[in-house]
Amino acid sequence: NAGVMQNPRHLVRRRGQEARLRCSPMKGHSHVYWYRQLPEEGLKFMVYLQKENIIDESGMPKERFSAEFPKEGPSILRIQQVVRGDSAAYFCASSPQRGTNTGELFFGEGSRLTVL
Amino acid sequence: AQSVSQHNHHVILSEAASLELGCNYSYGGTVNLFWYVQYPGQHLQLLLKYFSGDPLVKGIKGFEAEFIKSKFSFNLRKPSVQWSDTAEYFCAVRSGSARQLTFGSGTQLTVLP
Repeated sequence: NAGVMQNPRHLVRRRGQEARLRCSPMKGHSHVYWYRQLPEEGLKFMVYLQKENIIDESGMPKERFSAEFPKEGPSILRIQQVVRGDSAAYFCASSPQRGTNTGELFFGEGSRLTVL
Repeated sequence: AQSVSQHNHHVILSEAASLELGCNYSYGGTVNLFWYVQYPGQHLQLLLKYFSGDPLVKGIKGFEAEFIKSKFSFNLRKPSVQWSDTAEYFCAVRSGSARQLTFGSGTQLTVLP
């Protein structure tokens, strides 16, 4: 399966712990996007990254949330000191580099975070 | 900031009924428009997209959508739904030079056999 891979699929954390969500983009894709889906809401954009660069983080909460996309390895969305309100499905998407982009984002199956 | 509105939160239809899901956006410039579908337990998949040209776009599984610029709308249609169309449907917009998509809140479609 050469699609967008996210892990873990399900993650349970207690309040105050850290959550790390990983995303490997499709082969040949160099752009990664993170979205959050809260119950009864749509997907909310969080951050857009290219390799080693954060391009747009306008949707990221100002505290406790961070994202990276290193030169080697998956993109990681990190949530420190989780609270119950962080419980949500976190989706990663990828797209090819500019110039070959059809406009479509390719999504992973999501990581569902539950904070107890 | 741009926004996307999907006014129908939950639609229930019987098989063979016709479907129309509304989508309106708030951006006056050039837009790219998308409909994604999320089947239960699966990832989002692209149904169809509009970039330019013919405003009536045909997608997979018999879906189509019409871009009406004057109404800022991109409604999704299917003449005859099937039970397997039960899923959540998301409208999304890319505007200007942005790379990311802005999504609507989604419409849950339930098709009764």
